[in-house]
Amino acid sequence: DQQVKQNSPSLSVQEGRISILNCDYTNSMFDYFLWYKKYPAEGPTFLISISSIKDKNEDGRFTVFLNKSAKHLSLHIVPSQPGDSAVYFCAARTTQTGANNLFFGTGTRLTVIP
Amino acid sequence: NAGVTQTPKFQVLKTGQSMTLQCAQDMNHEYMSWYRQDPGMGLRLIHYSVGAGITDQGEVPNGYNVSRSTTEDFPLRLLSAAPSQTSVYFCASSPDRVAGYTFGSGTRLTVV
Repeated sequence: DQQVKQNSPSLSVQEGRISILNCDYTNSMFDYFLWYKKYPAEGPTFLISISSIKDKNEDGRFTVFLNKSAKHLSLHIVPSQPGDSAVYFCAARTTQTGANNLFFGTGTRLTVIP
Repeated sequence: NAGVTQTPKFQVLKTGQSMTLQCAQDMNHEYMSWYRQDPGMGLRLIHYSVGAGITDQGEVPNGYNVSRSTTEDFPLRLLSAAPSQTSVYFCASSPDRVAGYTFGSGTRLTVV
């Protein structure tokens, strides 16, 4: 049972435009969310995170929005660049227990067209 | 600063063979984890460790063993390889529970 879902396997965006990647989760115990970027033949790279006490976190061109009532988060990339082309994974965890499970979505492949 | 180093990068095993995937980090991170990535499944946690001498199971631990005798090393042992263990394996480390994990570049394992 997938607790973190990324329902769009792929997304294509023109260079300079906004990329919006979406993620939904089902476990109400999740209180910390992360986005990772992955290039082929490399490990995932941490991009940005957000705690459930916030609804927005920004880092340069990357902004993550969290809607707790909808159990939904999104990653906005503005402006999109060709180097952003990669697979993006959403991940979630609970910090309220001793468990260290980080649950990942299935990923969205972003292609930024020059 | 090497980060997280995984060896080997590629491995082919026959069903029933055993092997150890190596993982080492040089960042003095307390938290280390092993994930496997399968098509359409995302990354799933196999085992994790919150410090030397402490390990616990993740989502998909069956068929795998781990130990953590030092802060730096976190090897993953496949006891008797099965075709269902064909996957890409990632090791990751973190200084604490809320920091983003640093991942290794992965080991692509094929069991025939």
